[in-house]
Amino acid sequence: QQQVKQSPQSLIVQKGGISIINCAYENTAFDYFPWYQQFPGKGPALLIAIRPDVSEKKEGRFTISFNKSAKQFSLHIMDSQPGDSATYFCAASMHPDKLIFGTGTRLQVFP
Amino acid sequence: DSGVTQTPKHLITATGQRVTLRCSPRSGDLSVYWYQQSLDQGLQFLIQYYNGEERAKGNILERFSAQQFPDLHSELNLSSLELGDSALYFCASSSAEDTQYFGPGTRLTVL
Repeated sequence: QQQVKQSPQSLIVQKGGISIINCAYENTAFDYFPWYQQFPGKGPALLIAIRPDVSEKKEGRFTISFNKSAKQFSLHIMDSQPGDSATYFCAASMHPDKLIFGTGTRLQVFP
Repeated sequence: DSGVTQTPKHLITATGQRVTLRCSPRSGDLSVYWYQQSLDQGLQFLIQYYNGEERAKGNILERFSAQQFPDLHSELNLSSLELGDSALYFCASSSAEDTQYFGPGTRLTVL
């Protein structure tokens, strides 16, 4: 019930392509879904977040799509750049409660 | 820079020893969260403090304890250390309804 399942585990994308990372949850009490970006040796940094009252949120090249009925949400990175190469974590919480993290996706963007 | 500071950056110690990790939250944030990041367990919530009081507990071992001081900085104490305690330990802070901002982490190596 408290798990957040994330896929894929790793992703290789060419520069300019679209990166898509998917997450699924079971606990319908979750009401806050952030995505974090983590570079090696650094702490996770908030990228973008969404609440279940909207189906999509866009910030620059990053978009969250949210499907409440399917209990799924995804991160789309448009025009992926080598600088986007990092590990991405989805998370869920009953805000402002502890974050339940997905297992992470290692993204590599090649020129 | 998230505004959350953690010391030390690296810590190398032996099994059976005790260490203290320190976290200073962002200015004005009353909540402090501790997370453990290991290769096999991912990012796991350990404990949360709010304005000096324990608010929530996660997968924290009995050998581990934490506290938040009147100046709002927090310390995570790890004792009787085992090899399996080697991990990155992150502190995050938030204000009442805001998101969690993570510090740079402390890398603990138990030899």
